[in-house]
Amino acid sequence: GENVEQHPSTLSVQEGDSAVIKCTYSDSASNYFPWYKQELGKGPQLIIDIRSNVGEKKDQRIAVTLNKTAKHFSLHITETQPEDSAVYFCAASKGTSYDKVIFGPGTSLSVIP
Amino acid sequence: EPEVTQTPSHQVTQMGQEVILRCVPISNHLYFYWYRQILGQKVEFLVSFYNNEISEKSEIFDDQFSVERPDGSNFTLKIRSTKLEDSAMYFCASRETGGSNQPQHFGDGTRLSIL
Repeated sequence: GENVEQHPSTLSVQEGDSAVIKCTYSDSASNYFPWYKQELGKGPQLIIDIRSNVGEKKDQRIAVTLNKTAKHFSLHITETQPEDSAVYFCAASKGTSYDKVIFGPGTSLSVIP
Repeated sequence: EPEVTQTPSHQVTQMGQEVILRCVPISNHLYFYWYRQILGQKVEFLVSFYNNEISEKSEIFDDQFSVERPDGSNFTLKIRSTKLEDSAMYFCASRETGGSNQPQHFGDGTRLSIL
């Protein structure tokens, strides 16, 4: 089955710097890649997603890139703010009607003021 | 913005007891899911549910687990005889349509503690 790896497991950056989280997936049939942010005591909240027919997508300070050939995808957060501190999960899905989402192990991001 | 709601937020149960976790998905959503997250580990898929039947289940979802949509709004996960290793956060999720690549929306979870 699908396996999603993610690194780093923890990341500390100074406020205003950029943060990059990288993921790999194993199943070439995966074609949908959401990113979730989980704050303490909350469930995963979708922050951005990318589909396999797109190489890059940007939403304000957040951007994702996808390299289908290498089965890599990445999250880039620019101009980080303390409220960006959370656990970030990458995930992969085949995108069928009821398909499950396979999560990576998560990255704990700390933005230091 | 509509959201998935889960109750209770924290459930403490004696080992061997039955527990029911409740979820109210977003009202126009048709696909429902349960995931769990053991402390410090990744979020794991348990089961997907559509049209009043299970679509897919993981190896974790054994005979002790069941799901039900008893009415038009609730979606429940039952564990018949809880074990210590069932202690985890349980997340419900829902999705709007059968179209591909639609996002799943998650609730804030129920923390299940088995004593």
